[in-house]
Amino acid sequence: DIQMTQSPSSLSASVGDSVTITCRASQSITKFISWFQQKPGAAPKLLIYTASNLQNGVPSRFSGSGSGTDFTLTISSLRPEDFATYYCQQTYNTPRTFGPGTKVELK
Amino acid sequence: QVQLVQSGAEMKKPGASVKVSCKASGYTFSNYGLSWVRQVPGQRLEWMGWISIYNDKRSYSQKFQGRVTMTADRSTNTAHMEMRGLRFDDTAVYYCARDRAQLVPGGIVDNWGQGTLVTVSS
Repeated sequence: DIQMTQSPSSLSASVGDSVTITCRASQSITKFISWFQQKPGAAPKLLIYTASNLQNGVPSRFSGSGSGTDFTLTISSLRPEDFATYYCQQTYNTPRTFGPGTKVELK
Repeated sequence: QVQLVQSGAEMKKPGASVKVSCKASGYTFSNYGLSWVRQVPGQRLEWMGWISIYNDKRSYSQKFQGRVTMTADRSTNTAHMEMRGLRFDDTAVYYCARDRAQLVPGGIVDNWGQGTLVTVSS
């Protein structure tokens, strides 16, 4: 199975800050990665697919980049509704493994 | 709009089976696949498997192979996930999610059900 790691596991930030979350795959997954946002008690929400494509309806302050094994999710100018946990998932092969999550908290 | 509505919370004893349903609306059911993902409290999301609504092809995570069966009923736009031999560590929220992969296992999941809590307790 492809192992996905994320860093940091948590971070504290203020409204208006820019934050970057990193996801690393244990082998090349080319560009086949999705990013999700999950709030407590809610289902995950797709933000980014195929590394850099913004899902319909997702604000443009979210962006993704990377290829191969290293990927980033950037949130520019954090808004109050962005405080949540973020997960990456590889869609290169099965099983479609997820990262452990990064919790973005209010400083 | 796309909606996936799951069945309600379940409480089961160890060794029992559970069947979770997922009713889809707002899109052509057979044009997409359906993935199932679970989340043990406080842990990461875990992909369980995928089913093609178009041709019933299935792909299961090896972790669940032999214990899980995914089915789909195109006449009612409803998918089901049955898990047998429940254990305490199967206590989790189980999600269905629309998968853009219609014919090959597991792609981009773009819409999720609300989740179904399955509690395994004696």
